[in-house]
Amino acid sequence: EIVLTQSPATLSLSPGDRATLSCRASQSVSSYLAWYQQKPGQAPRLLIYDASNRATGIPARFSGSGSGTDFTLTISSLEPEDFAVYYCQQRSNWAITFGQGTRLDIK
Amino acid sequence: EVQLLESGGGLVQPGGSLRLSCAASGFTFTNYAMSWVRQAPGKGLEWVSTITDNSDNTYYLDSVKGRFTISRDNSQNTVYLQMNSLRVEDTAVYYCGKGRHGSSGFFDYWGQGILVIVSS
Repeated sequence: EIVLTQSPATLSLSPGDRATLSCRASQSVSSYLAWYQQKPGQAPRLLIYDASNRATGIPARFSGSGSGTDFTLTISSLEPEDFAVYYCQQRSNWAITFGQGTRLDIK
Repeated sequence: EVQLLESGGGLVQPGGSLRLSCAASGFTFTNYAMSWVRQAPGKGLEWVSTITDNSDNTYYLDSVKGRFTISRDNSQNTVYLQMNSLRVEDTAVYYCGKGRHGSSGFFDYWGQGILVIVSS
């Protein structure tokens, strides 16, 4: 099983700040990595797939980078609606796993 | 508009069974893999199972293999999850997810989720 480790567990920032979230895989997942946003009481929303491609309707302030074992989700300038929990996910060989999540809180 | 609507959840005793359904609309169901992902109360996301568009292949989380069965009825635009021998640790909100075109293992649309509680 490929383990995804997200850091930090919690990130406290203010609107307008730049957010950088990390996801490290226990072995290479090539570019088969996605990022999701989840707000309380809601289903997750796909933000980024294949490491760096924005999903339909996702604002340009969200960007993804990385390959192999190290990945980053960057939110260039935080909007109030961006405070949520973010998960990374890999899909290698149909043993799909998620990271434990990073909570993005308002400072 | 893509819609996924789960049903069939509820309270069940350990060792019992439930069948979840996910009714899909707003896209060509037969072209996409479908999956189930769960979230235990206060915890993170956990992939459970995937079925390919033509049902040729199914995939499962190790801890549910032999207990859960995913299936689909393309004539009804519905995917199912038959859950047998349920355990307390299966308690979670279960989400139905649509596989993204070209990247079936990523989920571009999700249902609202259905709660399954396994308790005596």
